[in-house]
Amino acid sequence: ETGVTQTPRHLVMGMTNKKSLKCEQHLGHNAMYWYKQSAKKPLELMFVYSLEERVENNSVPSRFSPECPNSSHLFLHLHTLQPEDSALYLCASSQAAGTGGYEQYFGPGTRLTVT
Amino acid sequence: GQNIDQPTEMTATEGAIVQINCTYQTSGFNGLFWYQQHAGEAPTFLSYNVLDGLEEKGRFSSFLSRSKGYSYLLLKELQMKDSASYLCAVMDSNYQLIWGAGTKLIIKP
Repeated sequence: ETGVTQTPRHLVMGMTNKKSLKCEQHLGHNAMYWYKQSAKKPLELMFVYSLEERVENNSVPSRFSPECPNSSHLFLHLHTLQPEDSALYLCASSQAAGTGGYEQYFGPGTRLTVT
Repeated sequence: GQNIDQPTEMTATEGAIVQINCTYQTSGFNGLFWYQQHAGEAPTFLSYNVLDGLEEKGRFSSFLSRSKGYSYLLLKELQMKDSASYLCAVMDSNYQLIWGAGTKLIIKP
């Protein structure tokens, strides 16, 4: 595997379900990110982890819970979601966070549909 | 508030040149990024500008004017595979990326 991988690629869940999204980066980066992408809207930054510590949480509802067990893996745990949470969830990584000049590398995303 | 503006959609002809503009108002500036995103795929990095001027990379060039809060992405010798969305993002004073909504570029034969 190379780059940034995400599983599953597609997920349909009911509002009472609990599911998790997984992201893995094979680039040796120290920072990882979760973004939400809705149609015709800017990417919304949800969480930032640097060296496995959460450094940013952009007022995300508690029904989204991130976990970063090591610098290569990032999870997004989902529970009691709402239909408006349906979107593409993108994971990204970069060499570092909190400093300029480093581009982010994105995974292919998980297309989430909440029914 | 912080704001990134770019056109929603543009159409161009194969073989031609197209310029996609991006204007920004952010709290601080630590560089501007352009990404390409094909439908259903991940965004991929195209360019980074932190100083004023033009950066050229093959068929793609990116320009920045910090005093005007303005950037453009120039695509030359357009190919059908260039049909995609182009995302402008500015790194603010907290080193967070602020994203535009993207410009969907349609290439016609």
